[in-house]
Parts: sequence; C-alpha cells; structure tokens
Amino acid sequence: ETGVTQSPTHLIKTRGQQVTLRCSSQSGHNTVSWYQQALGQGPQFIFQYYREEENGRGNFPPRFSGLQFPNYSSELNVNALELDDSALYLCASSFGQAGNTIYFGEGSWLTVV
Amino acid sequence: AQRVTQPEKLLSVFKGAPVELKCNYSYSGSPELFWYVQYSRQRLQLLLRHISRESIKGFTADLNKGETSFHLKKPFAQEEDSAMYYCALSLLNTDKLIFGTGTRLQVFP
Repeated sequence: ETGVTQSPTHLIKTRGQQVTLRCSSQSGHNTVSWYQQALGQGPQFIFQYYREEENGRGNFPPRFSGLQFPNYSSELNVNALELDDSALYLCASSFGQAGNTIYFGEGSWLTVV
Repeated sequence: AQRVTQPEKLLSVFKGAPVELKCNYSYSGSPELFWYVQYSRQRLQLLLRHISRESIKGFTADLNKGETSFHLKKPFAQEEDSAMYYCALSLLNTDKLIFGTGTRLQVFP
C-alpha cells in the first residue's frame, strides 16, 4: 500500500507567477484535502475533493483552485502568487467524506520571492 | 467561529516526568477532536482521536465539554516522544480539520 505522495518537494517562484502542486492519494482513497502551513502555524484547510467534486472550501481566495482526477490524484493551482503564499502545502487523503483516518503527505515547500 | 488553541509553543520535560499538552477549542456543535504528531523529518500522522478512546504510545486525551478542552497526557515521558504535537477539530460529519498552532515537546534525558 503506497502512502500519499506529493511533488515537487521544494520550489521557488516569483511573485505574480502561477504554480501547480500535485498529489497522489493513498491507494483506495477517494477524498483529497489540501492544507497550507505557514511557518510556525498549524495547517489551514484550503479545500477538499471527493470523487472529483469540490466538497468544501476554507477561507482562501479564488486564485487557489484545484482538481481531482478519475484516479483520485489531485492538483492545487495558485495564480498570481504573493509573498504570503510561501508555505508548506500538505495534501491529505482518506476514504469517504467523514469518519475515516486521514493520511498526510510530506508536503511541497513553496517559496515566493 | 471554530477555533483550536494550544497555549504553549514549547514544553520541555525530563525523561520520566509527566506530560500534559493543553488544547482548548471553540465549536458550537458536537466536536470530533484529534491529536496529530509530527516527528523530526516525518509526515504529520494521527496520534489519537477522542471517539476511539484509545491509548497510543502511552498517551491519552479526554474530551471535557464543560471546559472545552482535550488535553493530551502521558504519565512518563520518553525521549522518543520529542516531536511537534497538533490538536485538531473536525466539523460535524466532515473530514475538514481545524488545527491549533502546535506545541513542541522536548524530552531531555
């Protein structure tokens, strides 16, 4: 059973650019959530996808968008990058919409300069 | 608004000492509460959840609805318990987690 994998592990972007982060969910999982973790903070919920549909969104602007594919992998896209977008982006997967254990990936470190 | 508060950024104890990591929450409904742990160079992982009422690695946590708390306790700390601990709340019937800011536990030999 493979765990949640994310790519890239680190990247540096310039303010105003766009970025795509990728996540492969754990085998058998159909729900993917994305979290942003700024330095010294706990993870903050961005949004969740369940069976390819967005299933809830946190307090993030529309320039944060996502996709879930038929194989349940997922992408997080951020447009018009700002310096404050610098953070660790965590992907988490689970089975179903509630009640099952959530498994996290190791994250993608994004630095915006 | 839903919120999780962990008042201590750092907690340092000696091996064998009791440990209590504090967590308070605000939520109008019936919360589901969790403790997640992140060991050095490892991913965030579930330590325990209040619904299962388990003891994992000697840690326990009791939900106190009157005090809106879910403190994590261990009677005798071990060096391998050194890690970052996050308390989290999930909204009713969802897997959307609201995390506290975390407490770093350092256990000295």
